[in-house]
This record gives sequence, C-alpha cells and structure tokens, in this order.
Amino acid sequence: EIVLTQSPDFQSVAPQEKVTITCRASQDIGDTLHWYQQKPDQSPKLLIKYASQSISGVPSRFSGSGSGTDFTLTINSLEAEDAAVYYCHQSNSLPWTFGQGTKVEIK
Amino acid sequence: QVQLHESGPGLVKPSETLSLTCTVSGASINAYYWSWIRQPPGEGLEWIGYIYYGGNTKYNPSLKSRGTISVDTSKNQFSLRLTSLTAADTAVYYCARGLFFEPWGQGTRVTVSS
Repeated sequence: EIVLTQSPDFQSVAPQEKVTITCRASQDIGDTLHWYQQKPDQSPKLLIKYASQSISGVPSRFSGSGSGTDFTLTINSLEAEDAAVYYCHQSNSLPWTFGQGTKVEIK
Repeated sequence: QVQLHESGPGLVKPSETLSLTCTVSGASINAYYWSWIRQPPGEGLEWIGYIYYGGNTKYNPSLKSRGTISVDTSKNQFSLRLTSLTAADTAVYYCARGLFFEPWGQGTRVTVSS
C-alpha cells in the first residue's frame, strides 16, 4: 500500500499570505496525485488533478506541483474562505489512499 | 451537471449488514469508476472500493472482504453492502466518481450501535 504523508498537520496563516502543503508518497506514483479541500460539514472538493492540472471553477490561487514522490499544494494569497482541511490522494495503485490531512486555520 | 446522492439507514446494530445506495444523475453509470469512501468522526478519508464499467470491482484490503459493491444500470445507481459491522464502521459514507474523485455526494452518516 502506498502511504501518503502530508506536512504540516496544521498551519495557522494570516490572510493574503502564502500556504504550502507537501505530500510525500512512499513510492514513485508519477503524477497520479490529486488534492481536495474539505470545509466543516461539507463533502471534499477536488482542487487539483494529476499533480498540477487545474480544475474549472477552482480559484487560480490554488496550484499544484511535483512528480514521483514529492508533491506540493500552494495557496497564493490566502483568503478567509480557504479555512479547511486539505487532503492528497493517489490513484497510481490499489488500494487508493489519502494523506492524513492538513488543517489550515486563518489567523 | 453530474450529481450523486447517497441513501441508507442512519443507525445499524453491531454484527448486522449495512446497505447504502448512490443515485447518479447527469451521467451514465455505464462509464467511469464509481467509488465509496468513508470518514470516521473527526478522522481522515478512507477509500472503500470501486465498481467499473462491466461490473469490475476492487476493494480496500482493510475491509477484510466484508464489502461488496454492485450496480443497477436500470436505475443508474450503485450500492455498497458491508457485513459484520462494528463500532469502527461508524462514519460518513460518500460516493464519488472517477480516478480523481469529482463530484462527491453529500455523504450519509452511519452509526453502528446497539
């Protein structure tokens, strides 16, 4: 099973600052890494697919990068509505797995 | 616009079987991967399994062979059956489409308790 390890687990960031969340895979997964945002009492929402591909309707301040084992989700100029838990997910091999989540709080 | 909607009992007794249904609108169930994912209270996400075109299924080994996913093409629905429930199966259960999950249903909360 591929283990995804996110860091940090928690981040408190002021509005308009930049947020960087990393996701490290226990083995090479190419670009089959996707990012989700989950706000309280809501279903997760896809933010980025295949490591860096943008999703229609997702604000451009969200971007992804990386390949192989190391991936990054970046939120440029954080807004209050971005307070949420962020998860990475790999679809390279079964069982599909998620990272443990990173909670982003607005200072 | 593709929409998914989960339905099922909110409360199930230990050792019993859970049956959940995901109704799909705006897309044919005969294409794509269709997954079940769960989230225990205050915890992260766990992929349960998927069903694919032609009825092919794959499951997370963590379920220890307790799960079965099936499809009803006439109703554009797919279902999850989970046997031998314990308190550890208490979670919000989501259905979702694709290799990258988009969209998701709103989730249905399942509590396993006597």
